[in-house]
Amino acid sequence: GAVVSQHPSWVICKSGTSVKIECRSLDFQATTMFWYRQFPKQSLMLMATSNEGSKATYEQGVEKDKFLINHASLTLSTLTVTSAHPEDSSFYICSAGGSLGGPYTDTQYFGPGTRLTVL
Amino acid sequence: DAKTTQPPSMDCAEGRAANLPCNHSTISGNEYVYWYRQIHSQGPQYIIHGLKNNETNEMASLIITEDRKSSTLILPHATLRDTAVYYCIVRSMDTGRRALTFGSGTRLQVQP
Repeated sequence: GAVVSQHPSWVICKSGTSVKIECRSLDFQATTMFWYRQFPKQSLMLMATSNEGSKATYEQGVEKDKFLINHASLTLSTLTVTSAHPEDSSFYICSAGGSLGGPYTDTQYFGPGTRLTVL
Repeated sequence: DAKTTQPPSMDCAEGRAANLPCNHSTISGNEYVYWYRQIHSQGPQYIIHGLKNNETNEMASLIITEDRKSSTLILPHATLRDTAVYYCIVRSMDTGRRALTFGSGTRLQVQP
């Protein structure tokens, strides 16, 4: 199946700093990428949908100025958590789908996740 | 997307088949059944999907009832590495353009 990578796999930062998380589709082109957040013992919750070359669409309750998303190419989307606070500590997961005529149009593939801890 | 119902947890002995059920009684004609799993502290992993015919791949088999109102994911020889939360998701074909909605899933514990 298709491979999606995330970097870093974990990060610890101080309150008030910004953290950037990268999501890459390694062997296919992803016109759409998604960012999810998962708190302990809960299911994945969609934060935003990222389309290549256009502005991301955020879910209700997700602050777009706090969670900056950039989808600059068909293989890379980034999520920047600005002015992070302890309540932003969570497991952030991206997924990618919607390739351009390749073999993966039916399915979304997920990255391994990034665990963010804000002190 | 049609709503799905899964048991919250199941146990299975190592080496035996794990049969995970999913009810989706309101599924419509153009909706597929997808299965993903999430091993602890990892991103979800795609397993298999199907429309109405039974499907098999190297990971699992998917059995969909004739009326399509329920399905079963079968892991033929469960191993300890199969311990995970399994999600059954029903959605239409254009998955690449819309996010997946995750329910609570079934927590499968494979026992040695």
